[in-house]
Amino acid sequence: AQKVTQAQTEISVVEKEDVTLDCVYETRDTTYYLFWYKQPPSGELVFLIRRNSFDEQNEISGRYSWNFQKSTSSFNFTITASQVVDSAVYFCALSEAYSGAGSYQLTFGKGTKLSVIP
Amino acid sequence: GAVVSQHPSWVICKSGTSVKIECRSLDFQATTMFWYRQFPKQSLMLMATSNEGSKATYEQGVEKDKFLINHASLTLSTLTVTSAHPEDSSFYICSASLGFDTQYFGPGTRLTVL
Repeated sequence: AQKVTQAQTEISVVEKEDVTLDCVYETRDTTYYLFWYKQPPSGELVFLIRRNSFDEQNEISGRYSWNFQKSTSSFNFTITASQVVDSAVYFCALSEAYSGAGSYQLTFGKGTKLSVIP
Repeated sequence: GAVVSQHPSWVICKSGTSVKIECRSLDFQATTMFWYRQFPKQSLMLMATSNEGSKATYEQGVEKDKFLINHASLTLSTLTVTSAHPEDSSFYICSASLGFDTQYFGPGTRLTVL
């Protein structure tokens, strides 16, 4: 069975600080996908990144970066120079290549609430 | 691209009534749509997976007769909460998949049952 653990329930940082959100996953599959979604107070989930299990290259997108390490089953997310608009709940999610339901079901972590204080 | 809409964005109803929530993929054809429920300060819990033209697959513990899902076309899925009760009050979110790996989420529907 697959599982996603986000050990940090809530994090508060002061604006312009860097912050890393941790994500640890468990899966028996060799082929899987990892995701990060952002859920601002409005409620809508915003897709941030998808990474497949064969691609361990770290990725940077503006102030966002992701560190994928299969050896430790982790997919951590770092926000550099945080801004107030980054305040949201961030979810890490895992999808195995085939769930038997015709598509790729997501297993979500419990989320990390990030508060960026001006 | 990959925009998913939901309607209504919020609804308040009396106990015992039924409520229908629509989920539409606006700029792509979704082979699969998913329905989630999210209680306050909690994560998303998958309720069911819906493929166009076939019966939905419900997760364990989700009553299929209470949460009716219809996936009539590649761009529309509906969730009907039948005989709603206060404990059904929640944030319902749909997502649509292009058929491989990424799900795109709708803005959610906040249901309050009085």
